[in-house]
Amino acid sequence: GAVVSQHPSWVICKSGTSVKIECRSLDFQATTMFWYRQFPKQSLMLMATSNEGSKATYEQGVEKDKFLINHASLTLSTLTVTSAHPEDSSFYICSARNSDTEAFFGQGTRLTVV
Amino acid sequence: GQNIDQPTEMTATEGAIVQINCTYQTSGFNGLFWYQQHAGEAPTFLSYNVLDGLEEKGRFSSFLSRSKGYSYLLLKELQMKDSASYLCAVMDSNYQLIWGAGTKLIIKP
Repeated sequence: GAVVSQHPSWVICKSGTSVKIECRSLDFQATTMFWYRQFPKQSLMLMATSNEGSKATYEQGVEKDKFLINHASLTLSTLTVTSAHPEDSSFYICSARNSDTEAFFGQGTRLTVV
Repeated sequence: GQNIDQPTEMTATEGAIVQINCTYQTSGFNGLFWYQQHAGEAPTFLSYNVLDGLEEKGRFSSFLSRSKGYSYLLLKELQMKDSASYLCAVMDSNYQLIWGAGTKLIIKP
């Protein structure tokens, strides 16, 4: 199957700083990438959908100025959590879709804000 | 509204068979996915059904009935490593995934 690489796997940062998470499709071109957030023992929550070369579409309740998404190429999307707070601590997962309907997930990034 | 329903938790015995059901109501349908997720890890793709019927892949099989809005994941010859959460997700008419809350499967020796 196709490979999606997400980096870093885990990160600890101080309150008020920004953290960037990268999502790369290694062996296919991802026309669409999705960013999810998962709280412990809860289902995945879609944060935003990004298409290469255009602005991301954010789900209701997700602050677009806080969670900056850039999908600059067909193989790379980034999520930047700006001015992080402890409540932003969570598991962030990206998913990339090619021209077919199958979606492939990155490994996830565990963010801890202290 | 759109919703996906699956049991919260199930328990089964090592070596046995377990069926995890999923019912859905979505705006449009472009396929149903099953994912396995171990604690603290990202989901792993298990199966994709878009046509009615049974898809078999090793110890795992997935069934779909679009007219009933119903799917199940069948796990045979259960192993301890199968203890995980199993997520059902439907791709709607906008090609977005609508996720169920997941079924936590506990395997006992």
